[in-house]
Amino acid sequence: NAGVTQTPKFQVLKTGQSMTLQCAQDMNHEYMSWYRQDPGMGLRLIHYSVGAGITDQGEVPNGYNVSRSTTEDFPLRLLSAAPSQTSVYFCASRVSPNQPQHFGDGTRLSIL
Amino acid sequence: GQQLNQSPQSMFIQEGEDVSMNCTSSSIFNTWLWYKQDPGEGPVLLIALYKAGELTSNGRLTAQFGITRKDSFLNISASIPSDVGIYFCAALVFQGAQKLVFGQGTRLTINP
Repeated sequence: NAGVTQTPKFQVLKTGQSMTLQCAQDMNHEYMSWYRQDPGMGLRLIHYSVGAGITDQGEVPNGYNVSRSTTEDFPLRLLSAAPSQTSVYFCASRVSPNQPQHFGDGTRLSIL
Repeated sequence: GQQLNQSPQSMFIQEGEDVSMNCTSSSIFNTWLWYKQDPGEGPVLLIALYKAGELTSNGRLTAQFGITRKDSFLNISASIPSDVGIYFCAALVFQGAQKLVFGQGTRLTINP
């Protein structure tokens, strides 16, 4: 049971480049979320999904897009990377709204 | 929006000492969670609390859901070196898809 798998683990981009952070879970969880973690600010919600085909914005959605075509996958896209998006990104999933989330190991992204 | 104020931000203790940290908010929550994050990894759930006044233990860890539903604390007894890490409180917001909000984290350092 792999749980929540994030790829890549590390990435360096130039300003203006685009990329997709991958997230996959094998627990058949309906609820998935993307967070970014910055020093001294805890984790902030970027986007979330309550099931395939349904996504919504979190606390800091600007500059990011998501889609949920399958239950297993929830990719996060940066269309035009900016230095302010340098952060550690965590994907999480949970089986139901009132259950705790399971986190992946994170993607460390640097934008130069 | 809802905010969690977690304190202290950092702790430096001797091995064997007890640890106490807490989270407060001006908002009411229905679920409180405590996570631990080791370097280079995602947060891992330690304790989940679902009822006001609930006191739950997990080994040397004890957490309580405040009776006002606006706060929670986590205690660690007889700390050991592997307790080092960042501890996050989190609470579920029961609005729509029930989003998770996080405290800023408490960084625990233990001197052997």
